[in-house]
Amino acid sequence: DTEVTQTPKHLVMGMTNKKSLKCEQHMGHRAMYWYKQKAKKPPELMFVYSYEKLSINESVPSRFSPECPNSSLLNLHLHALQPEDSALYLCASSHTRTGFGYTFGSGTRLTVV
Amino acid sequence: AQKITQTQPGMFVQEKEAVTLDCTYDTSDQSYGLFWYKQPSSGEMIFLIYQGSYDEQNATEGRYSLNFQKARKSANLVISASQLGDSAMYFCAMTYLTGNQFYFGTGTSLTVIP
Repeated sequence: DTEVTQTPKHLVMGMTNKKSLKCEQHMGHRAMYWYKQKAKKPPELMFVYSYEKLSINESVPSRFSPECPNSSLLNLHLHALQPEDSALYLCASSHTRTGFGYTFGSGTRLTVV
Repeated sequence: AQKITQTQPGMFVQEKEAVTLDCTYDTSDQSYGLFWYKQPSSGEMIFLIYQGSYDEQNATEGRYSLNFQKARKSANLVISASQLGDSAMYFCAMTYLTGNQFYFGTGTSLTVIP
């Protein structure tokens, strides 16, 4: 299995809703990432987990809450989002020394209404 | 400071022609990897090709080749025999082999004309 699987593929949520994005990989990677990407822009790093511990938080607002319950699974919990948070959210994973096996999921397209 | 520079926001190429997408990078580190990704409108980030800083040969993957000029710090992507399905955003990216962050360029939007 050489894939990173993200669910759901599309999500529409209201500003008062609570929702979660899910990311799963079974490649034995111990580093997992969340990126946010606006249209026609490069992905922006949000969070990095290494060995299930949060190692990088790029000053992301607290309405985004990551969770890594085990080495294969990464969640992003969403609460009280703003319309400007509408974007493509990409998950990725890699061996802890990147350059080897860096793999992206197909993304969740989020719309906040 | 910008680590990856892609100076072509948009490019057009005739079907079946070759096209070169430019990428320059900025680092004083000796151990790094360079990547090219294709992102169609569906959003999926598709890995195309990888070049390690110690690789002496230019990387090739099917119709994709990477023109790696280490002294000039450039890693241009060459797509031969363009196809309509090649129309997409293309991102150049770099990572350090001792770290776990990716540095992306701003991307080039490629349109293949029939």
